[in-house]
Amino acid sequence: KAGVTQTPRYLIKTRGQQVTLSCSPISGHRSVSWYQQTPGQGLQFLFEYFSETQRNKGNFPGRFSGRQFSNSRSEMNVSTLELGDSALYLCASSPGQISYNEQFFGPGTRLTVL
Amino acid sequence: QKEVEQNSGPLSVPEGAIASLNCTYSDRGSQSFFWYRQYSGKSPELIMSIYSNGDKEDGRFTAQLNKASQYVSLLIRDSQPSDSATYLCAVNHSGGSNYKLTFGKGTLLTMNP
Repeated sequence: KAGVTQTPRYLIKTRGQQVTLSCSPISGHRSVSWYQQTPGQGLQFLFEYFSETQRNKGNFPGRFSGRQFSNSRSEMNVSTLELGDSALYLCASSPGQISYNEQFFGPGTRLTVL
Repeated sequence: QKEVEQNSGPLSVPEGAIASLNCTYSDRGSQSFFWYRQYSGKSPELIMSIYSNGDKEDGRFTAQLNKASQYVSLLIRDSQPSDSATYLCAVNHSGGSNYKLTFGKGTLLTMNP
């Protein structure tokens, strides 16, 4: 079974721009979660989607948004980029059941904001 | 604020020894617990999951859970150089946050040759 894929792998943007990241989950998985990882804050939860619905959201400003398509692929968007948005953005897929929630990560997108 | 705490390390162990990694969590209603391994420059890889009190073994890895003490640990037997990585503890909370994992900041494990 193919793993989680994320595109692009690397991005360089300037302040004020916007960016869209893409994630394709493991085949058959219906839940996609997004995380931001920085050296200082570690892995922080952004949001989670299941069957095109956002089920949970972390404590990030409204500049961070996401969506999920009918084939379970997901995108996240960051508008009006700030220097502090430089991070590794990770997508994780899960079958979607509440009780277990084993999540499998993609390789990540490394975003650098200049 | 639901928290997951880990000793940041680095934890240095001799090759062939047992490495013991610890994690505590604040939400008493937490239901599922996971250990991830993350090599430098790579994404986290799920290595163990545990859902009930006691021990769970998988090869050289043993996860231990004590819900009364809100404590979960990971033992790595016969430590190898390839075990050098950051180990992340993750907890799936109860109630309205059922769909997200909260991660500790990780423990860096290194091997002494």
